[in-house]
Amino acid sequence: QKEVEQNSGPLSVPEGAIASLNCTYSDRGSQSFFWYRQYSGKSPELIMFIYSNGDKEDGRFTAQLNKASQYVSLLIRDSQPSDSATYLCAVNHNAGNMLTFGGGTRLMVKP
Amino acid sequence: GAVVSQHPSWVICKSGTSVKIECRSLDFQATTMFWYRQFPKQSLMLMATSNEGSKATYEQGVEKDKFLINHASLTLSTLTVTSAHPEDSSFYICSAREDYTDTQYFGPGTRLTVL
Repeated sequence: QKEVEQNSGPLSVPEGAIASLNCTYSDRGSQSFFWYRQYSGKSPELIMFIYSNGDKEDGRFTAQLNKASQYVSLLIRDSQPSDSATYLCAVNHNAGNMLTFGGGTRLMVKP
Repeated sequence: GAVVSQHPSWVICKSGTSVKIECRSLDFQATTMFWYRQFPKQSLMLMATSNEGSKATYEQGVEKDKFLINHASLTLSTLTVTSAHPEDSSFYICSAREDYTDTQYFGPGTRLTVL
């Protein structure tokens, strides 16, 4: 069974700090990786995706992918209280297939 | 950016009635759409994969005769909850996969309450 694992949290960071969210996956053949943010009572919204090893930056967000170690992470710089949400990691094992979601990590950014 | 709409946003119905939920990709074509259900404080649960022009693929434990899915065009998929019961009350979310990037974009969700 293809699995995606995340620490459920909550991960608590002070405002202005860097929040680091981690995700591991079991299928070494996975090809694409996604981070979604879900506020309570709302649907997930895409933050960014990454396909290649290394870092990908978009504003305050940086996704990091290490296929050899089978993990993907999301860094949020200068964390704001509005970043408080559940962050979902999703993995596409093969092109054209459905995403497998992790259980999500709840992030709390305290003023 | 890619936008997915859902209608209605919320619905309250009596037990035994049927409810139809529409999911539309507004600015891209989606050969494949997905339907999820999420109960409070729980993870997303994939219910079914909807492919344009063919039958939907249901996940184990999801009754295909109760949750009817139709994907009649490249921009529209519908989920009909037939003979709804209070235990079907949940947050139903669709997503549409943008074919070029394999990225899934989510609709805003439909909150169903069955009395």
